[in-house]
Amino acid sequence: DQQVKQNSPSLSVQEGRISILNCDYTNSMFDYFLWYKKYPAEGPTFLISISSIKDKNEDGRFTVFLNKSAKHLSLHIVPSQPGDSAVYFCAASVAGGTSYGKLTFGQGTILTVHP
Amino acid sequence: EAQVTQNPRYLITVTGKKLTVTCSQNMNHEYMSWYRQDPGLGLRQIYYSMNVEVTDKGDVPEGYKVSRKEKRNFPLILESPSPNQTSLYFCASRGDYSTDTQYFGPGTRLTVL
Repeated sequence: DQQVKQNSPSLSVQEGRISILNCDYTNSMFDYFLWYKKYPAEGPTFLISISSIKDKNEDGRFTVFLNKSAKHLSLHIVPSQPGDSAVYFCAASVAGGTSYGKLTFGQGTILTVHP
Repeated sequence: EAQVTQNPRYLITVTGKKLTVTCSQNMNHEYMSWYRQDPGLGLRQIYYSMNVEVTDKGDVPEGYKVSRKEKRNFPLILESPSPNQTSLYFCASRGDYSTDTQYFGPGTRLTVL
């Protein structure tokens, strides 16, 4: 069973516009959420994270929103740039407990930003 | 430069021929793990290690072995590879806290014929 789901396999946006990537989760124990970006032939790189005690976290052009009641998070990129074209993975973990911060990933969304 | 390295980057092998994918990190991290990435499934954890000589299964450990004899190295061993282990493999490491950033290696593309 997929505990973290990214239901949009791909997203295409125009340069300068907003990109919104969505992620849903089912495990209510998750309390730490992350977004990773992956370029071809490279490993995923950390982009931004959010703890469950917050509902928003910003870092430059990137903002992550968390809606705990809906078990939903989203990544907003404003403005989008062609260099943002990559695969974006949503991930979740339980910060404490015995899972030692294991990351559970979504399927990924391919973002293409057109000039 | 802080990094996680993996070798080889690409490997084509045949069913049943034992292979090892190496992973090394230079950040003195205690926590290391292996993931496989498959289309439509994202990344799934195979094994992880909390420290030297301490390893445990992730979500998809069948057909894999690991060892952690030194802090910096965490090799992934396929004793008898099968075609369903054809995948893209990533090694990762992070610091002591579960919310520390995980750093990923560049990946190993494995094809088992």
